[in-house]
Amino acid sequence: QVQLQESGPGLVQPSQTLSLTCSVSGDSISSGGYYWNWIRQYPGKGLEWIGYIHYRGSTYHNPSLKSRATISVDTSKNQFSLKLKSVTAADTAVYYCARGGTIQSWWSLGYWGQGNLVTVSS
Amino acid sequence: QSALTQPASVSGSPGQSITISCTGTSSDVGGYNSVSWYQQHPGKAPKLMIYDVTNRPSGVSSRFSGSKSGGTASLTISGLQAEDDADYYCSSYTTSSTLVFGGGTKVTVL
Repeated sequence: QVQLQESGPGLVQPSQTLSLTCSVSGDSISSGGYYWNWIRQYPGKGLEWIGYIHYRGSTYHNPSLKSRATISVDTSKNQFSLKLKSVTAADTAVYYCARGGTIQSWWSLGYWGQGNLVTVSS
Repeated sequence: QSALTQPASVSGSPGQSITISCTGTSSDVGGYNSVSWYQQHPGKAPKLMIYDVTNRPSGVSSRFSGSKSGGTASLTISGLQAEDDADYYCSSYTTSSTLVFGGGTKVTVL
C-alpha cells in the first residue's frame, strides 16, 4: 500500500522560505516511472497544483508561482521536497504531496498524503 | 489558467442520482480526455474517484461514473448514499502542461 507523509513547519514568517518534505513508503520513487506532485488547498477550499518531479530529475512548476517554487528528489531517502520562497499570507494553505501516474497520466493523482497546514504569519 | 467552473452545491435524497458539472475551455477540458474527479471528506485528503473522464480506480464504487461533452465534464453519483456527502473537485490537464482544478461542489445527502 502506497503511503505519503508530509512534514515541515506549520508556521513560516513572511518573506521567508517554506520547506516541506514528502516521505514515501510502499513504493520506490525511483521505480515505476511515476510523477510526484505537490498541491495546496487554500482555507476557502480551492485546490492549486504546484508542480511535479520525476525521479530522473525532470520537474515542472505552475507558472502562476512565478519561479518561487523548487521541487527536488532524494531517492536515497525515498523523499521529495518543496521549497517556496518569498512567502506571503496568500501562501497560507494545506500542502499535499501526491503520486500521479506515468508520463501519459501524471495528472491522475491516485495517492495523497494527509496534508500539512502551513500558516504564513509573523 | 482560470479554475474550472463547478456548481457550489448539489443535493439529493438517498437512492437518487445527482450530476455535477465541470466546465472549462478548449485549452483544458475540451481539448483532452484528461479529466479527473476527487472526493474529499472534512479534514481528509482528496480521493481519486474518476480518471481520464470515464475510468474508475480499483475499489471505487460503480455508482460513480464520468462523462464529457465538449468543454463540460460531468460526474454522476447514482443510488446516493449518506457516505457520499462530501466535497467533489474536478481537474484537467491543460495546454500549458499544467493541472487545473475546479472550485469544488458540496454534495449534500438530504
